[in-house]
Amino acid sequence: DGGITQSPKYLFRKEGQNVTLSCEQNLNHDAMYWYRQDPGQGLRLIYYSQIVNDFQKGDIAEGYSVSREKKESFPLTVTSAQKNPTAFYLCASSIWGPGELFFGEGSRLTVL
Amino acid sequence: DAKTTQPPSMDCAEGRAANLPCNHSTISGNEYVYWYRQIHSQGPQYIIHGLKNNETNEMASLIITEDRKSSTLILPHATLRDTAVYYCIVGDSNYQLIWGAGTKLIIKP
Repeated sequence: DGGITQSPKYLFRKEGQNVTLSCEQNLNHDAMYWYRQDPGQGLRLIYYSQIVNDFQKGDIAEGYSVSREKKESFPLTVTSAQKNPTAFYLCASSIWGPGELFFGEGSRLTVL
Repeated sequence: DAKTTQPPSMDCAEGRAANLPCNHSTISGNEYVYWYRQIHSQGPQYIIHGLKNNETNEMASLIITEDRKSSTLILPHATLRDTAVYYCIVGDSNYQLIWGAGTKLIIKP
C-alpha cells in the first residue's frame, strides 16, 4: 500500500544526544515536511523540502537538521542544540502546491 | 498565530449531523480552506478542502460563506469513530499552513 512510514514510533534518549527520525514515502510526492506537536497544540513546521537536494527552514528549525538525498526519504535529526526536544514528530508528503497532506503515524521522542 | 478561530470543544450525539464552525475573517483570495482531523496520538487525516464553492466527498461536506470569512464542516451521520480533534486551516501552499489547537469533537452514544 502507498503511504508514509515513520520510525521509530517511540524513542528515548539522554539529554545531549543527537537523534535521527526516519521518514519514507512511496507516493512519488515531490514535497515532504516535518512537524512538531506539543500536547494540546497544533502542528508547527520544522523543515520542508520541495525537491531532492533542496530544503527550507520552517517556523521552528533551530536545533534540527534534515537531508533530502532521495525523493522517497526525508530524515530529521534532533540535535543536542534543541532545548526542549521531547515532543511528537510528524512527517508528511504532498504534491507541490495546494492539496492534501499525507501524514505518517508519528514518532514520539522523550529525552530523559 | 493561526489564521482561524474554532471552538475548543463540541459534543454531538451518535447518528446526528456534526456541524463544526470555523472563522477565517482575514482569508485572502487565493487561500484555500482545509479540514483535517487527528485521532489521539496518530497522524492527522485529510478530510476536505475548498476555495470558494461548497465541496462534498465521502467523508464530509464543506460549506463556505459567500464572503469566505467563515466555513462549516458537516459530518452527516456522526459515529463514535469520528471522535477526534478537527483542524480548520487556511493557506495557499502547504508549507504556509498554520495549525491552531482545533476543535475537540466528542461523539456521544
